Amino acid sequence: DVKVTQSSRYLVKRTGEKVFLECVQDMDHENMFWYRQDPGLGLRLIYFSYDVKMKEKGDIPEGYSVSREKKERFSLILESASTNQTSMYLCASTGQGKIGELFFGEGSRLTVL
Amino acid sequence: GQNIDQPTEMTATEGAIVQINCTYQTSGFNGLFWYQQHAGEAPTFLSYNVLDGLEEKGRFSSFLSRSKGYSYLLLKELQMKDSASYLCAHRDAGKSTFGDGTTLTVKP
Repeated sequence: DVKVTQSSRYLVKRTGEKVFLECVQDMDHENMFWYRQDPGLGLRLIYFSYDVKMKEKGDIPEGYSVSREKKERFSLILESASTNQTSMYLCASTGQGKIGELFFGEGSRLTVL
Repeated sequence: GQNIDQPTEMTATEGAIVQINCTYQTSGFNGLFWYQQHAGEAPTFLSYNVLDGLEEKGRFSSFLSRSKGYSYLLLKELQMKDSASYLCAHRDAGKSTFGDGTTLTVKP
């Protein structure tokens, strides 16, 4: 069974802290994505990666960075958390198959105080 | 969502049929997806259209018209467990862009 695992389901951090959100997939997928989901705004793409050590900005990259040192792992980094980054963060991956649907992790709900 | 419109909420009765519409605008197109998301859970893939027409998958069907920028998800024989949010997404060059989702409530 395919699996995308996010390291933390719930986090509470303080303004200015550095935050790491980890995501691991066991499907040997090339493509990995970080989205945030907010009420009324849907899922918005933050960053994505098509290969190891490769990253591309999504629609809302400001305030975030990413790291992809290994194919199975894609990390989202908040260098200095702010209250407007309180959100649900969803990691997803997809392979090169015919359909290429997204497989999502369970999500990490981050609260920044 | 960015250039994707779908109704915010819909209500239907158990056993009935419901159609959730989605309109989109995009310069590049590589497929239209529907995902289901139960409260507190991750989205899961439901259906995919890349060519015009209807794709049927059990109780769920999805339709696409590329010239009109229009899709719909049809759910038949509604069950209580179908109460969820339904997300429409189009893909362009590997990136998927989502609508805000339609929250469907199925009542007895």
